[in-house]
Amino acid sequence: AQKITQTQPGMFVQEKEAVTLDCTYDTSDPSYGLFWYKQPSSGEMIFLIYQGSYDQQNATEGRYSLNFQKARKSANLVISASQLGDSAMYFCAMSTYTGNQFYFGTGTSLTVIP
Amino acid sequence: EPEVTQTPSHQVTQMGQEVILRCVPISNHLYFYWYRQILGQKVEFLVSFYNNEISEKSEIFDDQFSVERPDGSNFTLKIRSTKLEDSAMYFCASSPTGRAEQPQHFGDGTRLSIL
Repeated sequence: AQKITQTQPGMFVQEKEAVTLDCTYDTSDPSYGLFWYKQPSSGEMIFLIYQGSYDQQNATEGRYSLNFQKARKSANLVISASQLGDSAMYFCAMSTYTGNQFYFGTGTSLTVIP
Repeated sequence: EPEVTQTPSHQVTQMGQEVILRCVPISNHLYFYWYRQILGQKVEFLVSFYNNEISEKSEIFDDQFSVERPDGSNFTLKIRSTKLEDSAMYFCASSPTGRAEQPQHFGDGTRLSIL
């Protein structure tokens, strides 16, 4: 069975500082993808970043980077230079090659403090 | 940038009534999905749809649920006899090929409230 765990229900960060949101996963599939989505208070789900299980380098997208440690089965999201608009729920998700659904974690609520 | 659109944004329905949630996936995408998010909880997979048939469904997707692609653009989720516990945000998503390395693109969701 596939499982995504986000152990931080809420996080606070000072504006302009970096923050790391934790995500661990469990799967027996040899190939999988890891995703992060942002959900603002308005409710929509916004795709942020993707990491493939065979990718050698950590993914980066602007201020977002994914710290992928395959042996530890972790895929932490790092947001650099936090902005007030980064305040939102952040969900880690996983896809596998044996099925085409996404498995989501319980989310982390990030609040950026001015 | 093309996006997934969902209507209505909010639906209020009496318990026991049927409800249809509508989605227009991105036009060149082939895989379509429905997810639900009960308030304060994580997003849960309901069903995936490809080539005019269900390719995968979760245990949540029981006989009261059905999906349809009635024409070339719409993708609908029908709940036959709504229950209080069906109150949730329902997200439609689409993917170009359904491959694991491609993100699923989500709509803004329909908030369903059952009274």
